[in-house]
Amino acid sequence: DTGVSQNPRHKITKRGQNVTFRCDPISEHNRLYWYRQTLGQGPEFLTYFQNEAQLEKSRLLSDRFSAERPKGSFSTLEIQRTEQGDSAMYLCASKEGGYTEAFFGQGTRLTVV
Amino acid sequence: AQKVTQAQTEISVVEKEDVTLDCVYETRDTTYYLFWYKQPPSGELVFLIRRNSFDEQNEISGRYSWNFQKSTSSFNFTITASQVVDSAVYFCALSEGGSSNTGKLIFGQGTTLQVKP
Repeated sequence: DTGVSQNPRHKITKRGQNVTFRCDPISEHNRLYWYRQTLGQGPEFLTYFQNEAQLEKSRLLSDRFSAERPKGSFSTLEIQRTEQGDSAMYLCASKEGGYTEAFFGQGTRLTVV
Repeated sequence: AQKVTQAQTEISVVEKEDVTLDCVYETRDTTYYLFWYKQPPSGELVFLIRRNSFDEQNEISGRYSWNFQKSTSSFNFTITASQVVDSAVYFCALSEGGSSNTGKLIFGQGTTLQVKP
């Protein structure tokens, strides 16, 4: 297993367009997380899945954001009608249940122009 | 509310110097977990250490050591004999425990460490 994989690594989009990011977690990990990181800040929690169930969403996740994890495997994060304020690094992490550490992907850097 | 504060925004040292990165946390939980992650320029967060609230033993791993003190709500990280490859952004993070353990992390703002040759 090569760890958590995120695609694409970089995305440039025009304001108002929709974008979708993909995360492939470590295969045996049942928990998956999305975080957003802006320049000079620490990552901020967006949402969390246990298997296919989305169990928690942050207030940061506006109606324009939606995340799915069909079949409890890979996950997608979609942003509709992108705004310049959405420009950030979007990080995905996965972990086993219980009191274990999370492993992060390399992130998708989104630039909205 | 949970909060993590890393007061040092940037630290610059010369190679072989020792450096300590500070982390102060706030939580009402009696069971919680503390973490340190390293973020090199490539962007991926690399796990360094996990500590639970019931284990205040300090830990040493090679040139890295961690000092956890519940009395001061601090979880400081020391790099001994720093090397240029240690240059990165370091994040301290907190996770709630007990029955509400979702595993989500609350991160500090990070400390950028620059080690000069």
